[in-house]
Amino acid sequence: EAQVTQNPRYLITVTGKKLTVTCSQNMNHEYMSWYRQDPGLGLRQIYYSMNVEVTDKGDVPEGYKVSRKEKRNFPLILESPSPNQTSLYFCASSLGTGHPPFYEQYFGPGTRLTVT
Amino acid sequence: GQQVMQIPQYQHVQEGEDFTTYCNSSTTLSNIQWYKQRPGGHPVFLIQLVKSGEVKKQKRLTFQFGEAKKNSSLHITATQTTDVGTYFCAGQGRDDKIIFGKGTRLHILP
Repeated sequence: EAQVTQNPRYLITVTGKKLTVTCSQNMNHEYMSWYRQDPGLGLRQIYYSMNVEVTDKGDVPEGYKVSRKEKRNFPLILESPSPNQTSLYFCASSLGTGHPPFYEQYFGPGTRLTVT
Repeated sequence: GQQVMQIPQYQHVQEGEDFTTYCNSSTTLSNIQWYKQRPGGHPVFLIQLVKSGEVKKQKRLTFQFGEAKKNSSLHITATQTTDVGTYFCAGQGRDDKIIFGKGTRLHILP
C-alpha cells in the first residue's frame, strides 16, 4: 500500500531534550516536506527536499533540522525543543515540484508533539 | 513574500445548503491544489488546477482558477454531513515554493 508513515504519532517531551520524528514513503517520490499545523495558522512549511541530499528552508525553519540521505526517508530533528514547537507535524511527499506543475502531495498521519 | 489568503476561516451551513471558499494569492501562481482534512485526520488531495480560467467538477464540488491565476474557489452544492472538515488551497509560485492557505473549516448543521 502506497503510504507515508511517521513515528512517533504522539510525543510528550521536555524543553531542551533532542528528538527526531521519522518520515518514510514507499512511493519512490522525489519531493518530501515537513509542515506544522497550528490552530488559526493552517499548514506552514518547515523544510522541504527536492531530492536526495537537497534540502531547503520553508517558511518556519528556525529550531528545526532535516536530512535526506535516502530517497525514502526525511527525518525532522529538533535539537533543543521549546514549548513554542508544540504542534501537529505532518510529513508529505510527491513525485516532484518542477515544471510541469507539482504533483499532489501525500500526507502522513501526523505527529502530535507537546514540549513542556 | 508570497501569501495565499483563504476566506472565510469558518463556515456553518445547514445540511443541503451550498458552501464556497475562496483563495487569493499576492502573486501569480503556476498552479493551485485543493485539499480536504477531516477532523482528526490528515490533508487529502482533491484536485489541481493549472490553466487560466480552468473549471473542474467532482460530483457536487466545483473548482475554479481565476483568469489571472491569482485566485481560486471551491464550491460545494447541497452540502452533506460527509463534507465536514477543513478545506485548504495550496499555491505554487514561480519560485516553485508551495504556500498553503490557512483553510476554511466547514461545519454542517443537521
